[in-house]
Amino acid sequence: DGGITQSPKYLFRKEGQNVTLSCEQNLNHDAMYWYRQDPGQGLRLIYYSQIVNDFQKGDIAEGYSVSREKKESFPLTVTSAQKNPTAFYLCASSNRDIISAFFGQGTRLTVV
Amino acid sequence: QKEVEQNSGPLSVPEGAIASLNCTYSDRGSQSFFWYRQYSGKSPELIMSIYSNGDKEDGRFTAQLNKASQYVSLLIRDSQPSDSATYLCAVKKNQGAQKLVFGQGTRLTINP
Repeated sequence: DGGITQSPKYLFRKEGQNVTLSCEQNLNHDAMYWYRQDPGQGLRLIYYSQIVNDFQKGDIAEGYSVSREKKESFPLTVTSAQKNPTAFYLCASSNRDIISAFFGQGTRLTVV
Repeated sequence: QKEVEQNSGPLSVPEGAIASLNCTYSDRGSQSFFWYRQYSGKSPELIMSIYSNGDKEDGRFTAQLNKASQYVSLLIRDSQPSDSATYLCAVKKNQGAQKLVFGQGTRLTINP
């Protein structure tokens, strides 16, 4: 089945730790995105990538890093510099012209 | 001014009535518009996309676009309790790198 897979579904991070969220797609989409959603809020763009080996900062990139070494994969690292990382993280992908964009099931990150 | 604005609600509609959800956007050059439905704790799912002025119908859903007024809406006819969710408006920005920008979402409750 074609789709977007995010893992893990739940993730707990200790203060000062870096954690990496996985996002894989088999839709042959060129573009991939990471969004953050806080309770009762909309989606805020963290990073996006339109082609392999290239990515751009979104509106809230500070404290996050990404890589795009393969078309299918766009992992997000939440670094210790992100002071308030507890949130629901959503990965999406689309074709180059954004005719439509689809989401993975999300990763819920909690700082303990 | 936010790039994409929605009334956060909650919007309460009786079962069987028409639910009307509204969205305005600031980038006059935007070309593509999307409505996503998000159930609590889940990821957004695409329900409608619209690219040209006028109405687009899909089952009980109708999307309406007015580019002159920079306004897009979603009508849900014969509302069902299962339509209770948060509805997110998304706009594809054409300035610079293409990306999807989301509104904060409108929480809709259908009362039996």
